[in-house]
Amino acid sequence: DQQVKQNSPSLSVQEGRISILNCDYTNSMFDYFLWYKKYPAEGPTFLISISSIKDKNEDGRFTVFLNKSAKHLSLHIVPSQPGDSAVYFCAAKKEGAQKLVFGQGTRLTINP
Amino acid sequence: DAGVTQSPTHLIKTRGQQVTLRCSPKSGHDTVSWYQQALGQGPQFIFQYYEEEERQRGNFPDRFSGHQFPNYSSELNVNALLLGDSALYLCASSGGGPTSNYGYTFGSGTRLTVV
Repeated sequence: DQQVKQNSPSLSVQEGRISILNCDYTNSMFDYFLWYKKYPAEGPTFLISISSIKDKNEDGRFTVFLNKSAKHLSLHIVPSQPGDSAVYFCAAKKEGAQKLVFGQGTRLTINP
Repeated sequence: DAGVTQSPTHLIKTRGQQVTLRCSPKSGHDTVSWYQQALGQGPQFIFQYYEEEERQRGNFPDRFSGHQFPNYSSELNVNALLLGDSALYLCASSGGGPTSNYGYTFGSGTRLTVV
């Protein structure tokens, strides 16, 4: 039972344009959502998070949007840079628990 | 400030053998969680340790066991290895106990290959 889904295995974007990565979840008990970035041979690195009481959170070039009614979140990267090329994971957790449920990941490639 | 340290980085084992993976959490962190990441998949939660006790467990068989030491470091043990246990094993640490919303810090992982 895949509770967190990233339906796009890969995404290719031109440098300077916007990258939009999508994530869907099925469990309505999830109340905190995170995005992680992973380079080869490294562990996932935390990027940005959002609580279910918000619908938007910004941090520099990164913005996460949450649509609770649709059980959907997205990560926007503007402008995209070559160093953003990595695998991006969406993750979700329930209140009072640290267990993260991850999506399958989306490989983002930024082309010069 | 050292982050999460995992050892070894790579390991090759034979089916049926046992393996122990090690993790030192980030300084100041008291909670350690282990994840298994199969090729092309997202990390899957194995279990979490806090105050030397297993606090939460994912959907993994009893062949997977762990331990946390007084200095907060942790071990993951896998018995009777199967080919399907081949994966990247990630350790993550956090502070504030098992119910906090503090973010994880992940280690670089141990790549286990079972032949």
